Amino acid sequence: GENVEQHPSTLSVQEGDSAVIKCTYSDSASNYFPWYKQELGKRPQLIIDIRSNVGEKKDQRIAVTLNKTAKHFSLHITETQPEDSAVYFCAASLSNAGNMLTFGGGTRLMVKP
Amino acid sequence: NAGVTQTPKFQVLKTGQSMTLQCAQDMNHEYMSWYRQDPGMGLRLIHYSVGAGITDQGEVPNGYNVSRSTTEDFPLRLLSAAPSQTSVYFCASIDRDDEQYFGPGTRLTVT
Repeated sequence: GENVEQHPSTLSVQEGDSAVIKCTYSDSASNYFPWYKQELGKRPQLIIDIRSNVGEKKDQRIAVTLNKTAKHFSLHITETQPEDSAVYFCAASLSNAGNMLTFGGGTRLMVKP
Repeated sequence: NAGVTQTPKFQVLKTGQSMTLQCAQDMNHEYMSWYRQDPGMGLRLIHYSVGAGITDQGEVPNGYNVSRSTTEDFPLRLLSAAPSQTSVYFCASIDRDDEQYFGPGTRLTVT
């Protein structure tokens, strides 16, 4: 089945700096790669997603890149703000399970003011 | 539009007890899923459904049953609760673009 690995597990940056989180996946048939932000005690919230036919997608300060050949994808947050502090999860679709998701282990991002 | 609702919000069970976690959605989505999230970890797929009457196992199905008699409801049953099932449970419904809409979660403790 699909295996998703996420790095780093914790990331501390200064306000205004950029943050990058990386994920690798194993199933070459995966075609959907969302990123979620989860605050303490809350449900995961979709912040951006990308499909396998696209190499990059951007939404204001957030961008995602996908390298299908290497089977890795990354989240880039620019001009970080204290409210960006949360746990971020990457996920990849399960090609043999109705495009349900398998998740990475999460990255705790701390943005210091 | 309530989206995805889950009840209860919190539950404490004793080992061996059974219970049903409720999940409902009002978006007419065919696909629904259950995940569990243990502390400090990502979500793991328990069971999923691609339509009324159709269910299948995910990554961690042991100890859980599901049914899907209507499009709206997708209950998760714990057959005989164990401490290893202490977790936060999220239900989700999925739209045609694969976006998952998560419910608020049920925090379950098994003692």
